[in-house]
Amino acid sequence: ILNVEQSPQSLHVQEGDSTNFTCSFPSSNFYALHWYRWETAKSPEALFVMTLNGDEKKKGRISATLNTKEGYSYLYIKGSQPEDSATYLCAFVSNTGNQFYFGTGTSLTVIP
Amino acid sequence: DGGITQSPKYLFRKEGQNVTLSCEQNLNHDAMYWYRQDPGQGLRLIYYSQIVNDFQKGDIAEGYSVSREKKESFPLTVTSAQKNPTAFYLCASSIMGQGVSEQFFGPGTRLTVL
Repeated sequence: ILNVEQSPQSLHVQEGDSTNFTCSFPSSNFYALHWYRWETAKSPEALFVMTLNGDEKKKGRISATLNTKEGYSYLYIKGSQPEDSATYLCAFVSNTGNQFYFGTGTSLTVIP
Repeated sequence: DGGITQSPKYLFRKEGQNVTLSCEQNLNHDAMYWYRQDPGQGLRLIYYSQIVNDFQKGDIAEGYSVSREKKESFPLTVTSAQKNPTAFYLCASSIMGQGVSEQFFGPGTRLTVL
């Protein structure tokens, strides 16, 4: 079982603050890295799929970077809004199979 | 509306009983997955299926069984052999069973063993 770690475990920020969190994964056998947002009482929804070292993805105020050589990805949220409150999951996929290995998530609360 | 449905939302089972969790998708996706979530842990894969009539074990398949007789359905049976079945179960699907295909998730079933 591969180890995927996310930090911090939880985060409280004020509305308007920018924030970022980390996903760490094995630096060998990389195939893909996924980010999901999981709001309370809803289903997880895909944010980004990242496949290349140095990849950067952006969707509105949310962006992500990828470093496969050192085994980490950052998720950034600029100008946090209350609707950004959710748990953010990352999932690592190795090139030895198609299984997703999920981290435990970062729980973000944006205080109005 | 296209999506994934899981039923029931809450399920209670007596120890020693088998129980089947339903998962249906109308997205025409080839691949389907079952995950389990426990407090403080990430989603862990139980079983997955890339095509009809074929499925593979994930990391925690012991005590579970699945079938994939139809493309749109992937039921999970929690058997009495599963030692700690109380958990939140999520079903997902993707266009193809490849690591770059995003997964679409259902709303989940919370199983409690009494």
